[in-house]
Amino acid sequence: EPEVTQTPSHQVTQMGQEVILRCVPISNHLYFYWYRQILGQKVEFLVSFYNNEISEKSEIFDDQFSVERPDGSNFTLKIRSTKLEDSAMYFCASRAETGHYEQYFGPGTRLTVT
Amino acid sequence: AQKVTQAQTEISVVEKEDVTLDCVYETRDTTYYLFWYKQPPSGELVFLIRRNSFDEQNEISGRYSWNFQKSTSSFNFTITASQVVDSAVYFCALSEEGYSALTFGKGTMLLVSP
Repeated sequence: EPEVTQTPSHQVTQMGQEVILRCVPISNHLYFYWYRQILGQKVEFLVSFYNNEISEKSEIFDDQFSVERPDGSNFTLKIRSTKLEDSAMYFCASRAETGHYEQYFGPGTRLTVT
Repeated sequence: AQKVTQAQTEISVVEKEDVTLDCVYETRDTTYYLFWYKQPPSGELVFLIRRNSFDEQNEISGRYSWNFQKSTSSFNFTITASQVVDSAVYFCALSEEGYSALTFGKGTMLLVSP
């Protein structure tokens, strides 16, 4: 069964460093999302991406964040200058274009900023 | 603005008990979608069910059943004859259009003891 994959599973970085989180969505899906979950809290939407552009973003998704689909399979989230409060689990999700509105999530990347 | 409330923070049951997880939502849209996701201790988010606002038919899938009531803006989830493997955090989520971001509730942690 097709699934969303994410790498790395765990990333440790120092405050102020740039990180790139990578995702491979399900191959025939066209909508892509990033969410984050601070430990013990609810899942929060960051950004959605469709047709090579951002379709929606939350207040969390400020200028420090960017997304890119560099090729036909990868979808990346970049944090330019990490802060301690960026420590969280980051989930990528994807969705088919029509008919099925459920989003399928990857296993997540745990980002630890020290 | 849309909102999802899961008032039960944590529920503990003994195996074979039935348990109902509550979800109340707020939205101004007439077309919306409701979801339940399971987050086991391993951390991934597993899609369980999607419901459209125009389809109030309840659904049963094995030991799982869902009760959608527009009159009370609720979408409750019942596990019949719970098992230890059901132990997880369960999230209810809402999207106001077919492709937009999911708004999650805070989740209910279900602990099923043998």
